[in-house]
Amino acid sequence: QSVLTQPPSVSAAPGQKVTISCSGSSSNIGKNYVSWYLQVPGTAPKLLIYDTDKRPSGIPDRFSGSKSGTSAALDITGLQTGDEADYYCGTWDSSLSAVLFGGGTTLAVL
Amino acid sequence: QVQLVHSGAEVRNPGASVTISCKASGYTFTSYFIHWVRQAPGQGLEWMGIINPVTGRTTYAQNFQGRVTMTRDTSTSTVYMDLSSLRSEDTAVYSCARDPRGYNNYYFDYWGQGTLVTVSS
Repeated sequence: QSVLTQPPSVSAAPGQKVTISCSGSSSNIGKNYVSWYLQVPGTAPKLLIYDTDKRPSGIPDRFSGSKSGTSAALDITGLQTGDEADYYCGTWDSSLSAVLFGGGTTLAVL
Repeated sequence: QVQLVHSGAEVRNPGASVTISCKASGYTFTSYFIHWVRQAPGQGLEWMGIINPVTGRTTYAQNFQGRVTMTRDTSTSTVYMDLSSLRSEDTAVYSCARDPRGYNNYYFDYWGQGTLVTVSS
């Protein structure tokens, strides 16, 4: 059971917006940056967001990250069928001295 | 381009050990920390630890303390992860990931394709 809580699945229609949440605590999300990763099953994860709201070069601005208190969110606008994948949040936990990941959220673009 | 290339799949009996390698290329090996992350079949990501490529200093996740050893060979730009006392629950894909920061607030900008380790009698 992951310390960071994500919904198991989300879905939306092409062109719509979806938000994936990631809930933690004061020792992790509450005081540290959050990163987000996309993983197509059978392939390596890909960095989408780092330092809570920064995009690496090559990641379109349809992907955005934010944080409020002990929860973080990944917004994806203008959904495309190619966005179907598993999405993971990650952060450092200052009490555990460990990197934590959420359990992952499967995005379906219907 | 940055590449992290893993060694091939492994099958081990319970109680055995396994060593996996991750060879880096396309960047200065000693400029980036490397982490190991595993993913059991159908499960999420689990962080195992980090190695400083310059000093070889390591920090391991509590869940793996005493069973995992991470090392590096700067002459070949390769990091190694050894996991001992294997049990069936260790069946997973083990991946290395590059860390641009190297201290707390880690994140991973490149990942290897992973090595599948199957533990079965």
